[in-house]
Amino acid sequence: QVQLVESGGGVVQPGRSLRLTCAASGFTFSNFGIHWVRQAPGKGLEWVALISYDGTKKYYGDSVKGRFIITRDNSKNTLFLQMSSLRVEDTAVYYCAKDAGDGSGSYPLSFDYWGQGTLVPVSS
Amino acid sequence: QSVLTQPPSVSGAPGQRVTISCTGGSSNIGSGYEVHWYQQLPGTAPKLLIYGYVNRPLGVPDRFSGSYSGASASLAITGLQSEDEADYYCQSYDSGLSVYVFGTGTKVTVL
Repeated sequence: QVQLVESGGGVVQPGRSLRLTCAASGFTFSNFGIHWVRQAPGKGLEWVALISYDGTKKYYGDSVKGRFIITRDNSKNTLFLQMSSLRVEDTAVYYCAKDAGDGSGSYPLSFDYWGQGTLVPVSS
Repeated sequence: QSVLTQPPSVSGAPGQRVTISCTGGSSNIGSGYEVHWYQQLPGTAPKLLIYGYVNRPLGVPDRFSGSYSGASASLAITGLQSEDEADYYCQSYDSGLSVYVFGTGTKVTVL
């Protein structure tokens, strides 16, 4: 069965960096786009970033553009989110979510599987 | 700033039917970008409930159904059950912003 397991969360000070990891299993990782989606405490869902199946195309939400970088290692079925210049407003649970397609941007599809999330509190 | 608007809450007695609306605009739902729905049970990750406006993934009960018209979509839950108490989010794509967008979310309460 499809599994996505996030890790790397934890308390971080404003202005610092943190790298999140998402380990995937149960499907052919290299065939699908993968997203990061976040949820601030008590708030709704916010799309963060998408990487295409082969890692050549990357898309970002406006609130993280220029500060976050999404990458993937298809040889290890692993997704990453490098977060820099963190702000208090980046505090959230970060989920990785599998795209129903290859994530190449040809046509947006649904997020068909989600991980359990990892909490990133940004606080001094 | 969500571009998809949902009612903050809806409620119903067990067995009743409730609907959740998702109102977008000309750059998202109105442009033909599909709407998907997610269920988030308390303390858990979101789960895909409806994709492509009306389709249910395997394992989702047929009590859940989706529809759409113009720049809006709706999720209906018939035969409401206590385990349906959750937050529900619609999702689409916005070509003007070039981002995936979620609705504001709706909390369903079973009375």
